[in-house]
Amino acid sequence: QSVLTQPPSVSGAPGQRVTISCTGSSSNIGAGYDVHWYQQLPGTAPKLLIYGNSNRPSGVPDRFSGSKSGTSASLAISGLQAEDEADYYCQSYDSSLSGYVFGTGTKVTVL
Amino acid sequence: QVQLVQSGAEVKKPGASVKVSCKASGYTFTSYYMHWVRQAPGQGLEWMGIINPSGGSTSYAQKLQGRVTMTRDTSTSTVYMELSSLRSEDTAVYYCAREGGDGYNSFLWDWGQGTLVTVSS
Repeated sequence: QSVLTQPPSVSGAPGQRVTISCTGSSSNIGAGYDVHWYQQLPGTAPKLLIYGNSNRPSGVPDRFSGSKSGTSASLAISGLQAEDEADYYCQSYDSSLSGYVFGTGTKVTVL
Repeated sequence: QVQLVQSGAEVKKPGASVKVSCKASGYTFTSYYMHWVRQAPGQGLEWMGIINPSGGSTSYAQKLQGRVTMTRDTSTSTVYMELSSLRSEDTAVYYCAREGGDGYNSFLWDWGQGTLVTVSS
């Protein structure tokens, strides 16, 4: 049972903007630990999308952006494209568990 | 370029053990911690633990303490994850992932292709 909660699904038409929330607590996101985001296309390994709350690795389009505030974080996808249809996971560290934790995951559907 | 190549799929009976390997190339093996993450069919990602390839120190998820062991072989740049007392709930794809970042703010930069472990009688 994950300590980081995400909506099960979000959807949008091509070109629209969607956001995915990641809600934690005072032992993880609220404690100041960074939040990272991963994209998992069907049948493939996850891929790093955002690190350190808002940084994009080389090669990740600037349509993807991340932010963090308080005990939550968000991933925004602007100019939604068909290729963005995937599962997205947030990740952080939890001091109560003394380990790393993932969010519950969100499936993005492009209508 | 960084490559993490994992061993092939396994089928095990309940109560048995499985050992999955992850061979690293394209970077200095001992300079980056390695994580293991698993994903049950149709489910989300679950962090299993971490190993320091330099000294061999490890830290495991509380849920798996006592059943999981992570080791490394610096001569072949390979890390291993062994899970014992397997049960049906351990059926999953197991990934190794190279760490980026610093300390508790680390992220998983590069991932292996995954190894399917099926536990079935």
